[in-house]
Formats: sequence, structure tokens, C-alpha cells
Amino acid sequence: GAGVSQSPSNKVTEKGKDVELRCDPISGHTALYWYRQSLGQGLEFLIYFQGNSAPDKSGLPSDRFSAERTGGSVSTLTIQRTQQEDSAVYLCASSLSGGGAGYEQYFGPGTRLTVT
Amino acid sequence: GQNIDQPTEMTATEGAIVQINCTYQTSGFNGLFWYQQHAGEAPTFLSYNVLDGLEEKGRFSSFLSRSKGYSYLLLKELQMKDSASYLCVPNQAGTALIFGKGTTLSVSS
Repeated sequence: GAGVSQSPSNKVTEKGKDVELRCDPISGHTALYWYRQSLGQGLEFLIYFQGNSAPDKSGLPSDRFSAERTGGSVSTLTIQRTQQEDSAVYLCASSLSGGGAGYEQYFGPGTRLTVT
Repeated sequence: GQNIDQPTEMTATEGAIVQINCTYQTSGFNGLFWYQQHAGEAPTFLSYNVLDGLEEKGRFSSFLSRSKGYSYLLLKELQMKDSASYLCVPNQAGTALIFGKGTTLSVSS
């Protein structure tokens, strides 16, 4: 079956512009996660959606970052007024369930964001 | 909260065996994942241990000791394609997985 997909694969934007990154999780997966990874660094947790529960936004670095998950499926990560330090690969992952249940996460290919 | 400790880098030669150790301190511990991440790619799942002991999966095995807060990943018959980062990720109840930088393994011929 289809895996996790993300779009766009690459995004170059000017400082100060807003960007939207999209994630299509695996069908039936109730948990969805956003991470970002800067060059040579580990994955930085951003936000976690589990079913209809309120999302865990504890990893969002500033109020310029927000995310939605519509209908329990597709998710959009929005970065407003982008800064150069936002440049990174943004990874989305989904799992059958979350909250410590032990289901493996399947990652999408990522969106490489470059802010000039 | 949680703390994870694993070596930053390791090197090995083709055909050898390498053991990547991980110690952790995690509240609400449910189990431990190992993920592999090749440079420029997303992480992929290797194993998940819930109970103490060794679980073998082909050339890769993973061990867990819950009482010691210790796990290791054992890679046998190393191949060049095993050069990657290996991420030890405790599964904490009620929270998202927190991934560190992991251990970067370089396999040479």
C-alpha cells in the first residue's frame, strides 16, 4: 500500500514569506507526527496528533509555527514569516496509534525547506 | 522526561560484528525502538523491545534490560550499506517519540 507522502519535496522561499507543508499519512493511522531535522542534527519533535485528542504542540519552536490535521487524515504544517533558521528537512510520520502503544512510525520522504 | 546515552560515532569493517549500546532514563517506559537513518533519508524502523531479552531479526538483533535501563543493537556480517545512524528511542507512555542524534556507524572495506 501507499506510504506516507509529503509535498512539496523541496521548497525555496524568501525570508518573511509564509509556507505550507503537506503530509498524507497512511490510511487508517490515527497518530501523526511532525519533526524537523537540520543538517547533521537529530530529529526535533514539533507536534503530535492522536485521533480526535488535542494535539501535543510542546515541540513547536515559536508561535510562527502551527499545524492542522483535517478529518483525522491530511495534515498541514504552516510556518509564518519564515526565518533563515527555519531551513531544515521537515519530516512527517504516522503510526497505527500513538501515546506509547508501541506502534512503529512510518516516515515520509520529507520536505526540504530553504529560506533565503 | 528522558535521558538517552549512546556513542556518537563508531567504525567497523565489512564482515565484522558491532554492538551499539544505549542507556536510558525514562519515566513511563513502555518499550524501546531502534531506528536506522541513512544520510539524506528518513528513519526506518528496525526493532521494538518490550520484554527483557534478545530479539533476533536476520543480521540485526536487539537486547533490552528494563531493570538496568539498557539496550543494545547487534549488527552481524556488516555490509557497506549498514553505514548509517542508529537511533535508540525509548517509548514513553502518552507522549510522542523523542529521537536523538543516534550513533553514526561507518563501515569500511
